[in-house]
Amino acid sequence: NAGVTQTPKFRVLKTGQSMTLLCAQDMNHEYMYWYRQDPGMGLRLIHYSVGEGTTAKGEVPDGYNVSRLKKQNFLLGLESAAPSQTSVYFCASRSLAGSDTQYFGPGTRLTVL
Amino acid sequence: SQQGEEDPQALSIQEGENATMNCSYKTSINNLQWYRQNSGRGLVHLILIRSNEREKHSGRLRVTLDTSKKSSSLLITASRAADTASYFCATDSLGAQKLVFGQGTRLTINP
Repeated sequence: NAGVTQTPKFRVLKTGQSMTLLCAQDMNHEYMYWYRQDPGMGLRLIHYSVGEGTTAKGEVPDGYNVSRLKKQNFLLGLESAAPSQTSVYFCASRSLAGSDTQYFGPGTRLTVL
Repeated sequence: SQQGEEDPQALSIQEGENATMNCSYKTSINNLQWYRQNSGRGLVHLILIRSNEREKHSGRLRVTLDTSKKSSSLLITASRAADTASYFCATDSLGAQKLVFGQGTRLTINP
């Protein structure tokens, strides 16, 4: 039982390049979330999903897209990376039933030059 | 905008002392959660307190919630070096399906 995993762990992009971050969970959770964490800012919600095939915008969605084609996977895409997207990205998942607790992945550190 | 405001932003104490962190929020909540983040790692859930609860314990952790003041506190008793981490409060509003995190308190336990 790996919990929540994220791929890759580190990435350096040039401005304008695109990439996809992958989040996978093996806990059969319905809800999945993408956050970004910047120094002194805590975690801010980018997009989230309450089930396979559904997505919703969070607090800071601009410049990102997401897809949830399979229940266990939640993809975060950057179509044209900007230096302002340099951050640490965390994925989390949560069960529909249960305690409302979110389970976090280890993070992806992204640098955009 | 973030819901939670945490105080202090940084706290440094000696091993064995108690550490208290505070969180204030703005809107009505369903529950409030505390998470810990070790440097370079993901967040780990510590404790959840529901809006109809006033106090909750888990090991060396004690959480209080005052919904009239829209505030919560996390007390860590008999601190250890391994408690060095950042601590975040997060609020869950009824039906929101998502958490809103505070900016965190960076706790350092000095041996």
